[in-house]
Amino acid sequence: DGGITQSPKYLFRKEGQNVTLSCEQNLNHDAMYWYRQDPGQGLRLIYYSQIVNDFQKGDIAEGYSVSREKKESFPLTVTSAQKNPTAFYLCASSITSGMSYNEQFFGPGTRLTVL
Amino acid sequence: GEDVEQSLFLSVREGDSSVINCTYTDSSSTYLYWYKQEPGAGLQLLTYIFSNMDMKQDQRLTVLLNKKDKHLSLRIADTQTGDSAIYFCAEGMTTDSWGKLQFGAGTQVVVTP
Repeated sequence: DGGITQSPKYLFRKEGQNVTLSCEQNLNHDAMYWYRQDPGQGLRLIYYSQIVNDFQKGDIAEGYSVSREKKESFPLTVTSAQKNPTAFYLCASSITSGMSYNEQFFGPGTRLTVL
Repeated sequence: GEDVEQSLFLSVREGDSSVINCTYTDSSSTYLYWYKQEPGAGLQLLTYIFSNMDMKQDQRLTVLLNKKDKHLSLRIADTQTGDSAIYFCAEGMTTDSWGKLQFGAGTQVVVTP
């Protein structure tokens, strides 16, 4: 079955530590996205990538980093510079960007808690 | 940045109709979307509407679009307990060629027996 997987589902981190969230898709999608979800605030775009070895900052990129070495993988690192990292993180993908129709397919999410 | 706005909460009795409202920002958006999020899960596309349409019906779902007022609504007929979830509207941005989606804050729908 095609889809997007995120791991782990729950992640705990001590303050001052970097942590990497995994996102893998086997949908052969070109574009991938990372969103952060906080209660009552909807989804905010952290980073996105249109193609391998290229990515762009979204609305709230500070304190985060990404890589896109393979088409199917788009890991997100939450660095110690992120002031308030506790949140639910969602990864998504779409066939391509730059088209007027852009259905995004979402993974199940990772809930990160900083202790 | 500009916001897509939704009311945050809706309570509805089982069997009644639910109406979730949304106002969006970009009058040139070509597609508008409704996503559903169940507790602790990712988002799932429910339906979408192309901007040259006023209405789209898909089984129990009816989407209405008022382009003049930049208002979008989702009606769920015969609401069931399984419809309890957060519903997000999203617009496809056209200010650049990239086609990002701008999401609203989500409407929490609670269905009571």
